[in-house]
Amino acid sequence: ETGVTQSPTHLIKTRGQQVTLRCSSQSGHNTVSWYQQALGQGPQFIFQYYREEENGRGNFPPRFSGLQFPNYSSELNVNALELDDSALYLCASSLGQAGETQYFGPGTRLLVL
Amino acid sequence: KNEVEQSPQNLTAQEGEFITINCSYSVGISALHWLQQHPGGGIVSLFMLSSGKKKHGRLIATINIQEKHSSLHITASHPRDSAVYICAVYGGATNKLIFGTGTLLAVQP
Repeated sequence: ETGVTQSPTHLIKTRGQQVTLRCSSQSGHNTVSWYQQALGQGPQFIFQYYREEENGRGNFPPRFSGLQFPNYSSELNVNALELDDSALYLCASSLGQAGETQYFGPGTRLLVL
Repeated sequence: KNEVEQSPQNLTAQEGEFITINCSYSVGISALHWLQQHPGGGIVSLFMLSSGKKKHGRLIATINIQEKHSSLHITASHPRDSAVYICAVYGGATNKLIFGTGTLLAVQP
């Protein structure tokens, strides 16, 4: 079985731009969660998708949006980038939504200048 | 105050030492996770606990639901154990993991 993959691995953007990050879930997993991890901090939950529907959201503004596709891969979109959006973005897949073991991707490191 | 607190924040040990990392939480949970994060970002799930104790190799995780406390123990520590160890709880009322800020462990040869 393949693990969780994310693309791109690194990305540099400027303020005001838009970015799309991608995540392929582990085979057989129907739930994807996205996290933002600022330098030196623990990850913060952005949102979770379960069978193509948003299934919980953290304290992030609406310019953070997402999608989950029928093959359970997922996208995180961030509009109107701000300097504070610079972080490591992690996705994790799991089977089911209720606290099951999550399998993390390697992350996308975003730098906003 | 964070909903999930870990201690210590930083820990340096000599190879072979027994290590304990603690996690306390203030919310009701359905599960607690211990995660390992190496430099560069990759996170590996070590344990998921809802009660009692689990062991995997040199790692042992325990949880006391009544006291809202969990510990991660590493026996016979090795330099390759050097990483950030993160405690995260899954709150029953929300579909999200709440993370602690992590414990940076350095095991010296």
